[in-house]
Amino acid sequence: GEDVEQSLFLSVREGDSSVINCTYTDSSSTYLYWYKQEPGAGLQLLTYIFSNMDMKQDQRLTVLLNKKDKHLSLRIADTQTGDSAIYFCAELTGGGNKLTFGTGTQLKVEL
Amino acid sequence: DTAVSQTPKYLVTQMGNDKSIKCEQNLGHDTMYWYKQDSKKFLKIMFSYNNKELIINETVPNRFSPKSPDKAHLNLHINSLELGDSAVYFCASSQMDVTEAFFGQGTRLTVV
Repeated sequence: GEDVEQSLFLSVREGDSSVINCTYTDSSSTYLYWYKQEPGAGLQLLTYIFSNMDMKQDQRLTVLLNKKDKHLSLRIADTQTGDSAIYFCAELTGGGNKLTFGTGTQLKVEL
Repeated sequence: DTAVSQTPKYLVTQMGNDKSIKCEQNLGHDTMYWYKQDSKKFLKIMFSYNNKELIINETVPNRFSPKSPDKAHLNLHINSLELGDSAVYFCASSQMDVTEAFFGQGTRLTVV
């Protein structure tokens, strides 16, 4: 199947780290992505990781990939109120022709 | 300059009408997509075009017809609109290998 699952909600305090998890099912996915969607806005590509890597760091963002368990996570260090948004993981499927998105995680950052 | 632009941003129309959403990209990409986001925020691909040719059609009703006049444009025409068509429609573009896909701001379609 091509279901990509995420927990629906995450609430953190400003300054804490946030970890958003994603489980995907297509073991042939070559790339995995994290997108951010702010209210009323489009999708912004945050970062992506190639399937032969297990970690990628980009400023406050750290992506971990466990290919054996088909588990992807996004860690946001020093979470700010501006990080409040919906975060989608996505995998490249269909022979590399399309992105299949997860269900999205609503991140709420509280003061 | 906006990389992927869609028009209109909002569209409110009555059931049974026919409407179009336009999408243009200035990134020089060869592949364009339409995605639908429902009220629960689930995102699902509808169509994909590469060099003006349809390569993905994900079980979308025949009332939806994409048209790609050139590589930089992919328009979505919807006939006989139904209440269930209400959603946010996103256009996106990438190179064929989809390493990075860029999305438009979305068109919120409301059918009343």
